Amino acid sequence: AQKITQTQPGMFVQEKEAVTLDCTYDTSDPSYGLFWYKQPSSGEMIFLIYQGSYDQQNATEGRYSLNFQKARKSANLVISASQLGDSAMYFCAMKLSSGNTGKLIFGQGTTLQVKP
Amino acid sequence: NAGVTQTPKFQVLKTGQSMTLQCAQDMNHEYMSWYRQDPGMGLRLIHYSVGAGITDQGEVPNGYNVSRSTTEDFPLRLLSAAPSQTSVYFCASSYQQGQLFSPLHFGNGTRLTVT
Repeated sequence: AQKITQTQPGMFVQEKEAVTLDCTYDTSDPSYGLFWYKQPSSGEMIFLIYQGSYDQQNATEGRYSLNFQKARKSANLVISASQLGDSAMYFCAMKLSSGNTGKLIFGQGTTLQVKP
Repeated sequence: NAGVTQTPKFQVLKTGQSMTLQCAQDMNHEYMSWYRQDPGMGLRLIHYSVGAGITDQGEVPNGYNVSRSTTEDFPLRLLSAAPSQTSVYFCASSYQQGQLFSPLHFGNGTRLTVT
């Protein structure tokens, strides 16, 4: 079954420290994409970073990087130098090339709180 | 550039009432979709459209209808509201559903309560 699992319902991090949010996925499709979205308390969904299954290098976008371990089926989000504005819920999601539905399969989310 | 615009932001309905959630995008995206967000369950796909005149069911379509008469608009209709439809609804669009790297652009959501 196609599934995304985020096992950390809530996380705390001290301001300026790095934090890793865990994401594991399950699919038998060879071609897929992995996404991370941020949802602040205001409610909007903000796209952060993308990793393709065939990408050789881990994706990076500013302070965000994706630790992609294909054999372990994990796609953890690393936020470096945490800021108070990083406090939000974070969702990992997967898109499959098969089916052509454009559907994103979402995990349950992880709430991150950055402490001053 | 407005992106994806959803209206209303909040809505309270009584059981059995019907309503339409509006969604419009100005990015000329082919693909549009509706998700619902419930606590502990992430987001789940309700309906989607790969172009004007084409719609299909997602994971949780029961109780909802959609239509896509133009590229820009993709309204979601609740036929007879039930308390189980209390949720936050997101409209999202992307350039092309077939491209893996085609991130969804989300509207700001509609918080619906059915009493």
